[in-house]
Amino acid sequence: DQQVKQNSPSLSVQEGRISILNCDYTNSMFDYFLWYKKYPAEGPTFLISISSIKDKNEDGRFTVFLNKSAKHLSLHIVPSQPGDSAVYFCAVPINAGNMLTFGGGTRLMVKP
Amino acid sequence: NAGVMQNPRHLVRRRGQEARLRCSPMKGHSHVYWYRQLPEEGLKFMVYLQKENIIDESGMPKERFSAEFPKEGPSILRIQQVVRGDSAAYFCASSPGQGREQYFGPGTRLTVT
Repeated sequence: DQQVKQNSPSLSVQEGRISILNCDYTNSMFDYFLWYKKYPAEGPTFLISISSIKDKNEDGRFTVFLNKSAKHLSLHIVPSQPGDSAVYFCAVPINAGNMLTFGGGTRLMVKP
Repeated sequence: NAGVMQNPRHLVRRRGQEARLRCSPMKGHSHVYWYRQLPEEGLKFMVYLQKENIIDESGMPKERFSAEFPKEGPSILRIQQVVRGDSAAYFCASSPGQGREQYFGPGTRLTVT
């Protein structure tokens, strides 16, 4: 049973607009969340993280929001750029941090 | 500061052969993780190692797969008697400690013919 879910397999956005990628999780005990970006034929690149003691973390054009009551987090990219076109994964450390469990990914396409 | 290195980047094996995938963690990182991404699927954890120790291998298939991280040298993921279903991208990640960000290598794409 998937503990982390990304329900949108793909998202298309115009350059300059906001991209919002969503992620839902099942376990209210999760206390740390990460976003990774992955280009084809490359490994995932760490993007941004958030601890459960916060509800927002910002780094340049990237902001992650955490809604603990809804067990939902989202990644906002603004303004979106064509170079942001990639697959985005949310991930959570589980089993005492022995591993990351990943969502299925959302493919973002930013059109010029 | 070099990132996580993996080699080879591409590996082709015939059914029944052995595949050896290598991973050198980032400098200063002593925790190594292996993940597999099957076609059209997300990344799935396989094994977590520290130097000379397997900490968690709950994601490893019971047979044919093994991993090590010796005192000297890279971590090795070994797949014996490969089958077509082993065709996937295998990613190694490393971290300075447990439980937080992991940094991934570029992956090894294994194709079994």
